[in-house]
Amino acid sequence: SYELTQSPSVSVSLGQTATITCSGLDLGDKSVCWLQQKPGQSPLLLICRNNWRPSGIPQRFSASNSGNTATLTISETQAMDEAAYYCQAWVSTTPYFGGGTHLTVL
Amino acid sequence: QVHLVQSGAEVRKPGASVKVSCKASGYTFYTYGIHWVRQVPGQRLEWMGWINIGNGHTDYSQKAQGKITISRDTSTSTSYMEVSSLRPEDTAIYYCARVGSNWEFDYWGQGTLVTVSS
Repeated sequence: SYELTQSPSVSVSLGQTATITCSGLDLGDKSVCWLQQKPGQSPLLLICRNNWRPSGIPQRFSASNSGNTATLTISETQAMDEAAYYCQAWVSTTPYFGGGTHLTVL
Repeated sequence: QVHLVQSGAEVRKPGASVKVSCKASGYTFYTYGIHWVRQVPGQRLEWMGWINIGNGHTDYSQKAQGKITISRDTSTSTSYMEVSSLRPEDTAIYYCARVGSNWEFDYWGQGTLVTVSS
């Protein structure tokens, strides 16, 4: 088994930069993706390694991963960014998800 | 446009089973695996298992082994997940998701709420 740990909640002021972290043993050696989930919706893929984003995801979302910590950074945070954010990593052929961080935009 | 469309909400009594479907469109079905993930409302996403659509090979999490069965019908581009011996704690939203060529969960179904209650 493998554990990915996220803080349950983060707050950010409108227009400021939000930072959400995910920790796991040797996480920097693994490919990490981030997903966004709004209430009542399915998860949405945001960004993966090398800052690859699916079409339609704004450049405000960026990611890094080193050591035991992966970080999702949201620049110029908007009200629409209020959601839960999950990190996801593979260990061999098994995917693991973090516990999720709820982002509140003040 | 890729779409994964799941079957509707289900209510079952404890001890019963349920089979959820996930119909894919917009891509060549057998070229990507389909994974199943569940989420108890308000809690984390939990991977349950997956199926290689091309050869039908399945793999399950330790927790889901013996509890779920994943299958596919290539003629209808549909994957199925059957959950047996349901208990109230199996009440959750069950999602199917496609994993893309770079191992990313790139498309998700809309989720199916399964409620287990006597």
